[in-house]
Amino acid sequence: KAGVTQTPRYLIKTRGQQVTLSCSPISGHRSVSWYQQTPGQGLQFLFEYFSETQRNKGNFPGRFSGRQFSNSRSEMNVSTLELGDSALYLCASSFGPTNPYEQYFGPGTRLTVT
Amino acid sequence: KQEVTQIPAALSVPEGENLVLNCSFTDSAIYNLQWFRQDPGKGLTSLLLIQSSQREQTSGRLNASLDKSSGRSTLYIAASQPGDSATYLCAVPNTGNQFYFGTGTSLTVIP
Repeated sequence: KAGVTQTPRYLIKTRGQQVTLSCSPISGHRSVSWYQQTPGQGLQFLFEYFSETQRNKGNFPGRFSGRQFSNSRSEMNVSTLELGDSALYLCASSFGPTNPYEQYFGPGTRLTVT
Repeated sequence: KQEVTQIPAALSVPEGENLVLNCSFTDSAIYNLQWFRQDPGKGLTSLLLIQSSQREQTSGRLNASLDKSSGRSTLYIAASQPGDSATYLCAVPNTGNQFYFGTGTSLTVIP
């Protein structure tokens, strides 16, 4: 069974640009969550999608957005990039929208903003 | 808001030693707790998931315990190996799927 996949694995962008990251969950999983990981702030929750609907949103500015497609694949978009957006972006998938389902993480997308 | 703390922040042990990593959380009304491992620059690998009704969960050389009333979980690693070197994170979800992560324990096992 294939794990969670994320593309691209690495990205270099300049300030002011926008970027789109993609996440394909484990087959059969319908919930996808996104996290930002930085050395200073650790892992922070961005948002969660289930059945194409955003169910939870973390404390991030509106420049961060996402969506989920009917096949459960998800994308997140960051507009008007800032240097502070440089981070490892991780997505996680699980079977359902509520506990007790185990979460499985992808390898992440390393975004560098210059 | 749930706050998760992990102690120690870093740990260095000789190969073969048994060790304990600690995780504490402020809100004891949890559904479950999950332990992850992260290698440098990589994603998270799930190690163990403990449901709120369980007190222990074991996988190979790993044993995780959960004490909801005191807001604590421990991850016990037996007979440590250099391949165990990584950052270990515990995470607690809210009623949905939003996880609150600890800052992690960076483990180095010296051959």
